Amino acid sequence: DTAVSQTPKYLVTQMGNDKSIKCEQNLGHDTMYWYKQDSKKFLKIMFSYNNKELIINETVPNRFSPKSPDKAHLNLHINSLELGDSAVYFCASRQGMGYGYTFGSGTRLTVV
Amino acid sequence: AQSVTQLGSHVSVSEGALVLLRCNYSSSVPPYLFWYVQYPNQGLQLLLKYTSAATLVKGINGFEAEFKKSETSFHLTKPSAHMRDAAEYFCAVSDFNQAGTALIFGKGTTLSVSS
Repeated sequence: DTAVSQTPKYLVTQMGNDKSIKCEQNLGHDTMYWYKQDSKKFLKIMFSYNNKELIINETVPNRFSPKSPDKAHLNLHINSLELGDSAVYFCASRQGMGYGYTFGSGTRLTVV
Repeated sequence: AQSVTQLGSHVSVSEGALVLLRCNYSSSVPPYLFWYVQYPNQGLQLLLKYTSAATLVKGINGFEAEFKKSETSFHLTKPSAHMRDAAEYFCAVSDFNQAGTALIFGKGTTLSVSS
């Protein structure tokens, strides 16, 4: 199926650990995004890549590092996890200007 | 800077009643506007979008929205609510011209539908 797929769907880890979330899209889109949804369901942009080039880098702790090996993949690595990093992280992609974003189903990260 | 404001964090309607979810935007340039729906424990699904064509936009599941520039509004409506419409709804705005911008979301409106 054509989609934006994220793995894992759930991630429970201890404070101080390092973890990665993977995202892949097979839609042929050029631009990919990471969004964070907090406990109040507010969605905030974190990063965006266009054809493997970082184009948006919002005010995010540098413990968060995106990596795009090719335009179909955008992974998120998080170092030294903190309790406040607990949230749902969504990957999305877009075909071009004026098109809606296609979202993945999210990764629920719980830091204990 | 662009922003959207969703009036009412929670809207409750009876099944069969009109659904009206309010969204006002702020943008210094012609915007693209979107409505997304999020069902529990799922990702976001695009309901409809406005991209400077027709001001009345029809979407999936019987929803529609009207772009009113004079009121800077993009309210979402559905004539008759179904139980399955209960979900979180997000209005979002994007800059028309800038490739380096992202969707900016409102804080969301929870729609409850009672039988």
